Order: sequence, then structure tokens, then C-alpha cells
Amino acid sequence: DGGITQSPKYLFRKEGQNVTLSCEQNLNHDAMYWYRQDPGQGLRLIYYSQIVNDFQKGDIAEGYSVSREKKESFPLTVTSAQKNPTAFYLCASSPPRRNTGELFFGEGSRLTVL
Amino acid sequence: DAKTTQPNSMESNEEEPVHLPCNHSTISGTDYIHWYRQLPSQGPEYVIHGLTSNVNNRMASLAIAEDRKSSTLILHRATLRDAAVYYCILASGNTGKLIFGQGTTLQVKP
Repeated sequence: DGGITQSPKYLFRKEGQNVTLSCEQNLNHDAMYWYRQDPGQGLRLIYYSQIVNDFQKGDIAEGYSVSREKKESFPLTVTSAQKNPTAFYLCASSPPRRNTGELFFGEGSRLTVL
Repeated sequence: DAKTTQPNSMESNEEEPVHLPCNHSTISGTDYIHWYRQLPSQGPEYVIHGLTSNVNNRMASLAIAEDRKSSTLILHRATLRDAAVYYCILASGNTGKLIFGQGTTLQVKP
């Protein structure tokens, strides 16, 4: 079945380490997004990519990096520069003309910094 | 960027209709109104979206005010599985970004 797969579902990291969260989609969607969610809060946009080899910063991009070398993949790296990385991270994708259509979300990755 | 305002929480009885309000007074002419819902520790799920006209689908109905400054998500018969956080979101027609508000936590009582 088509969908978005995020991995790992749970991840623990020591302070000062970089960690990469995987997001893969087989929906043939052009646009992909990374959101961060803190307990009891809404989603905040980290980065988004509307086409391969291109991406833009969202509202809270500091301390994060992304790449979009393939249409299917949009990995997010949480760097040591991110001061409060413990959070629930959600990846999403959307077909062309996204503002008129549905956004598909993965199941999320929960990162805990020890 | 246009933002939305929703009540923090609402309660409903099972099998009764639920009206979830959303204010978006700074909406622009090209912004679409989307609704998503989220269960704990899961990704959000699409519910419905619209631009100007009211919309119906198998999950819910969306009533959009004539001036587009507010909208209401209508669940016709709430079930226990409808208990979730409901987000009213504006999809920017210019940038393509979705701007999430705080959402409304809906509790459904049996």
C-alpha cells in the first residue's frame, strides 16, 4: 500500500550528537514537509521541499538540516546546535497543487535527548 | 501568515452532532481552509477542506462563513472514536505552507 514511512519510531540521543530521521514516501508526491510537535502543542514547520533538490526553511529551521536528493526521500538531521531537540517529529507529503488537496502524514518519530 | 483561533477544548455526547468553530479573520483570498484531527502519538489525519462553498464528505461537513473569516467543522453524530485534537488550518495559496493552530481537544462522552 502507498504511504509515508518514518523511522525510527523511537530514538534516544546523547547531548552533542547529531541524529537523522528518515522519511520515505511511495505516493509519487512532489512536496514533503517536516514538522515538530511538543507535548500539548500544535505542529510547527521545520523545513519543506516542493521539488527534488530544492527545499525551504520553515518557522523553526535553526538546528536542523535536510536534503532532497530523491523524490521519495526527505531525511531530517537534528544537529547538536538544536538546543531542545526532544520532541515528536512528523513528516508529511502532498501531491501537486498542495494548497487544494490533502496532506499525508507519517506515524511520527519520537526523539528523546538524554 | 494568516492564523486561526479555536477553543482549547469541547465536550460532546455520543451520537449527538458536534460543531467545532474556527476563526481566521486574516485569511487571504487564496487560502484554503483545512481540518485535520490527531489521536495521541499518531500523525494528523485529513478530515475535510474547502475554499468558499460548504463541503460534505463521509467524515464531516465544513460550513464556511460568507466573508470567509470563520468556519465550522460539523460531525453529524459523534462517536467515541471521534475524540481527538482537531486542527483548523489555512493552506497558503502563495507559499504552500500549512499553518497549524493549537487545535481543539474534543471529548466524547458515552
